[in-house]
Amino acid sequence: QSVLTQPPSVSGAPGQRVTISCTGSSSNIGAGYDVHWYQHLPGTAPKLLMYGYNNRPSGVPDRFSGSKFGTSASLAITGLQAEDEADYYCQSYDSSLSGYVFGAGTKVTVL
Amino acid sequence: QVQLEQSGAEVKKPGASVKVSCKASGYTFTSYYIHWVRQAPGQGLEWLGVIDPGDGSTTYAQKFQGRVTMTRDTSTSTVYMETSSLRSEDTAIYYCATVTVTGWDAFDIWGQGTMVTVSA
Repeated sequence: QSVLTQPPSVSGAPGQRVTISCTGSSSNIGAGYDVHWYQHLPGTAPKLLMYGYNNRPSGVPDRFSGSKFGTSASLAITGLQAEDEADYYCQSYDSSLSGYVFGAGTKVTVL
Repeated sequence: QVQLEQSGAEVKKPGASVKVSCKASGYTFTSYYIHWVRQAPGQGLEWLGVIDPGDGSTTYAQKFQGRVTMTRDTSTSTVYMETSSLRSEDTAIYYCATVTVTGWDAFDIWGQGTMVTVSA
């Protein structure tokens, strides 16, 4: 069971907005540790999508945005496109485990 | 540009050990820590640990302490991750990754992954 909880799947039609939640606790997100998001397509290496809640690496479209509130964070995708169909993971640091942790991942399906 | 190149796929028997390499290029090897992350079939990403190529110091995830060893060779800009006492649950794609974004601990550069299969 992952320390960070994500919904197994979300879906939306092209052009719609979807959000992915990442719920942690007082030993990770709630303790102020950064949350990062990755996009993972089968057969490829994960790709950093968002770091520090709402910072996008170069090349990541502004359709992706992040936020954080208390012990949770979320990733929003607006104007959903077919190419966004992938698995998305949140990641943070956990002081109880003294290490980095990932959520279990959320599969985004474009209907 | 910063790149991480991993060694090829491995097939091992239960109880054996495997050593995966990750060769860094495009930057000063000792500048960035290198992490290891794995993904078992149908599972999510799992952090194994990190090595500081500068002094070789390591931190391992609690789950893997005693069974995973990370080392580095500064002469070839390569880090190694060895897993011992392999079991079927260790079948996974193993990735090395590094953090080049200053001030953040986000893994922005990844190797291509190494498939390790543990099977009798």
